[in-house]
Amino acid sequence: AQRVTQPEKLLSVFKGAPVELKCNYSYSGSPELFWYVQYSRQRLQLLLRHISRESIKGFTADLNKGETSFHLKKPFAQEEDSAMYYCAPNYGGSQGNLIFGKGTKLSVKP
Amino acid sequence: NAGVTQTPKFQVLKTGQSMTLQCAQDMNHNSMYWYRQDPGMGLRLIYYSASEGTTDKGEVPNGYNVSRLNKREFSLRLESAAPSQTSVYFCASSDGLRDTDTQYFGPGTRLTVL
Repeated sequence: AQRVTQPEKLLSVFKGAPVELKCNYSYSGSPELFWYVQYSRQRLQLLLRHISRESIKGFTADLNKGETSFHLKKPFAQEEDSAMYYCAPNYGGSQGNLIFGKGTKLSVKP
Repeated sequence: NAGVTQTPKFQVLKTGQSMTLQCAQDMNHNSMYWYRQDPGMGLRLIYYSASEGTTDKGEVPNGYNVSRLNKREFSLRLESAAPSQTSVYFCASSDGLRDTDTQYFGPGTRLTVL
């Protein structure tokens, strides 16, 4: 079965510290990879996707096919980064749907 | 553009009651989705509709039915609600043309079944 693992339920860091949210996916071809974010009292929204090779709000994510990982990183965390983060591969095929991880709650302390 | 809208925002049901959650999008998207979000479980796909007139089961379809009324609207029905269906329900939509398409989410419906 196609799976995605986010090993940390909660990640707590101080403002200005580096942060890395881990994501590992099961190997099944070459899925498209996404990170979605849900800020408090807001709807779930796209943070970034691998194909765009972009940096959004200072976050980047590197795909490591050898380790089947797509970890999300930011060198200096800000309090406004506190949110729930979901890694979501899209394996395509007949469904072509996202498979969401269980999420990591990031808490950035002042 | 309102994006993806959902009604109602909150609902309390008694076991055995039925209800329909409504979802509409104004982005001319082909695909629409219903998810449920439970603590520690992430988002799980209930049903999806790849295009108008088609619907398919997702990971957790039992106890639910859906209707793709037209291109804009995708409703989720609970015929006989159970406490296990207490959850936050999200509707989403996307172009549905490529695996790289972004999904756009509604604000969610918080459902409690007593």
